[in-house]
Amino acid sequence: QKEVEQNSGPLSVPEGAIASLNCTYSDRVSQSFFWYRQYSGKSPELIMSIYSNGDKEDGRFTAQLNKASQYVSLLIRDSQPSDSATYLCAVLTGGGNKLTFGTGTQLKVEL
Amino acid sequence: EAQVTQNPRYLITVTGKKLTVTCSQNMNHEYMSWYRQDPGLGLRQIYYSMNVEVTDKGDVPEGYKVSRKEKRNFPLILESPSPNQTSLYFCASTSGGGQPQHFGDGTRLSIL
Repeated sequence: QKEVEQNSGPLSVPEGAIASLNCTYSDRVSQSFFWYRQYSGKSPELIMSIYSNGDKEDGRFTAQLNKASQYVSLLIRDSQPSDSATYLCAVLTGGGNKLTFGTGTQLKVEL
Repeated sequence: EAQVTQNPRYLITVTGKKLTVTCSQNMNHEYMSWYRQDPGLGLRQIYYSMNVEVTDKGDVPEGYKVSRKEKRNFPLILESPSPNQTSLYFCASTSGGGQPQHFGDGTRLSIL
């Protein structure tokens, strides 16, 4: 079982719709969770950090964390073509010393 | 401006010719890491450092060396590069304590 799992996609949504990206993780003691956005050939860019159960909202982005189910998600409201990118879920594991990434979900926002 | 700087950005070289990719951060971060990114495999950690003179292996350390003689610098060394080390490499740093990592712009290495 991979430590951090994401559906590779591509996930296609129409412009203006809500995009829902999901991630599961295996290390039950993980405490820190991150979503990064990566455009092709560019470096990962932090979108959201979440540390406690529930929802965290920042503009059009909402991160959701459920530690009991070992599940993290990212919702993007009013999706724009500029949101088309690969979204990486990252979990701090190994007692807090190691950041483990999922393989990423490719999002395509269509006009 | 807070940043992580990698050099070179692009390099094409040949098998066996030693190379070093430099990484420098200006945020006084304790932790620094190197990752490689390959299609379908995502970002995998090569080595990380928790402080000056403290380094440890990540998931894919074979064929790589690192050093941390100064807090701001964390070079990645390929003593005898091979074609399977052709990849996109990222350096990252963080203050630790559950804080996110900041990434450099990446180095695309091609080993012929």
